[in-house]
Amino acid sequence: AQTVTQSQPEMSVQEAETVTLSCTYDTSENNYYLFWYKQPPSRQMILVIRQEAYKQQNATENRFSVNFQKAAKSFSLKISDSQLGDTAMYFCAFSYGGATNKLIFGTGTLLAVQP
Amino acid sequence: DSGVTQTPKHLITATGQRVTLRCSPRSGDLSVYWYQQSLDQGLQFLIQYYNGEERAKGNILERFSAQQFPDLHSELNLSSLELGDSALYFCASSGTGGAEDTQYFGPGTRLTVL
Repeated sequence: AQTVTQSQPEMSVQEAETVTLSCTYDTSENNYYLFWYKQPPSRQMILVIRQEAYKQQNATENRFSVNFQKAAKSFSLKISDSQLGDTAMYFCAFSYGGATNKLIFGTGTLLAVQP
Repeated sequence: DSGVTQTPKHLITATGQRVTLRCSPRSGDLSVYWYQQSLDQGLQFLIQYYNGEERAKGNILERFSAQQFPDLHSELNLSSLELGDSALYFCASSGTGGAEDTQYFGPGTRLTVL
C-alpha cells in the first residue's frame, strides 16, 4: 500500500528566511507523481508544486522548490524568502495512476511564518 | 480561484438527516473527485467520476453515494448522518482523470452534524 509520511507536525520560520518541509513516501510503483498542496486559514487547497517521478530535475515554482530523492523516497519542499502569506498547512500528496489517480495525502505540516 | 465551485459553503444539520453537496468542475474537466477532511482521519479520497461514470472508490461509507451528471457537475449524497460525519468535504477536478493530471480543488463544504 502507498503511504505518505510528514514527520513534522509544526514548523516555524522567520519572515525572509528559508524553511524546508519533509515528506517521505512508500510505493512499489515506478511511475508516479508527487505534489505539495497548501491549505491557508481559508481552508482552500492550493497546488504549490508537482514533480513527475520519471524526471530527474527538481521542480521549481518561484520561491518554492523541491528536493526529490527517488531512491530514498523523499520529497521535501523548500520555501525561500518566506512571507507572512506562506503561513498555512502544507500537505504532501502522491498519485500513481493506474485505475485511478486518486491523491494519497500525508498528515500535513503547519507552517507559521513569524514577522 | 481554482475554477471549481462547491455549494453550499456551510451546512449544519442533525443526526439521521440526509444532505446533498454539489460540485461544478473547471471548464473542460471531465473527472471529478470527492475528498473528506476530518480531524481524526485527515484527508481521504472518497470517490472519482469520469465523464459520468464511476472510476474508483475509496473509503466511502455505504451511507454515502455520488453521481456525475451529463453536464459534468457532481453531487455527493450523505444519508443517516452521524456526528462523526462532520468534516470538510472537497471536490476536485482534472482534465481526463489520467495519471498525468493535476487535481484542482474547490473551496469545500463544511458539514456540521449536531
